[in-house]
Amino acid sequence: GDSVTQMEGPVTLSEEAFLTINCTYTATGYPSLFWYVQYPGEGLQLLLKATKADDKGSNKGFEATYRKETTSFHLEKGSVQVSDSAVYFCALGGDSGYSTLTFGKGTMLLVSP
Amino acid sequence: KAGVTQTPRYLIKTRGQQVTLSCSPISGHRSVSWYQQTPGQGLQFLFEYFSETQRNKGNFPGRFSGRQFSNSRSEMNVSTLELGDSALYLCASSLVGPGTADEQYFGPGTRLTVT
Repeated sequence: GDSVTQMEGPVTLSEEAFLTINCTYTATGYPSLFWYVQYPGEGLQLLLKATKADDKGSNKGFEATYRKETTSFHLEKGSVQVSDSAVYFCALGGDSGYSTLTFGKGTMLLVSP
Repeated sequence: KAGVTQTPRYLIKTRGQQVTLSCSPISGHRSVSWYQQTPGQGLQFLFEYFSETQRNKGNFPGRFSGRQFSNSRSEMNVSTLELGDSALYLCASSLVGPGTADEQYFGPGTRLTVT
């Protein structure tokens, strides 16, 4: 079945450092890929998505490129802020209206001033 | 536009009891999905409803059930609660469904504690 593997956290960085959170997936067909973010005490929010190979999703300085050849969707940001501290989830969605989202276990990011 | 709302936000129950959680999706959204989030297992899919029909179900025992009403509001029920059911239960809504790259909008969750 479909699965998503994320790097384990926590990832601890200083403000303005470069961020990479690795995500690889296993899926059949042509899934869409997502990054969601969860701030303390809140639900998940969609951060960015990519629906086909070589697509780049971007939002709020975060980027991720759908790499079919390496089955990866790594999240990057050039300069993190303290306000980026949260848990980040990589997810994949099947390619039919009847499929579901499969999430990775999440990676906690802690950014210090 | 109001977001996804979930009630109650916090709940404490005793083993053996049953519980009902409620989710009101964003207006116009017809798909509602439920997830269980725990530190050990992460986010696990429970079920998805679209226009009052359950389209998909995750790998959970029959004690977990749900339904969707004609106004798209959804409820999930857990009977004969076990300690392991303690979790954050998240509801997400979307226009068409989670499998179409349609954005899922999540509610804040209901924190269930079973003692």
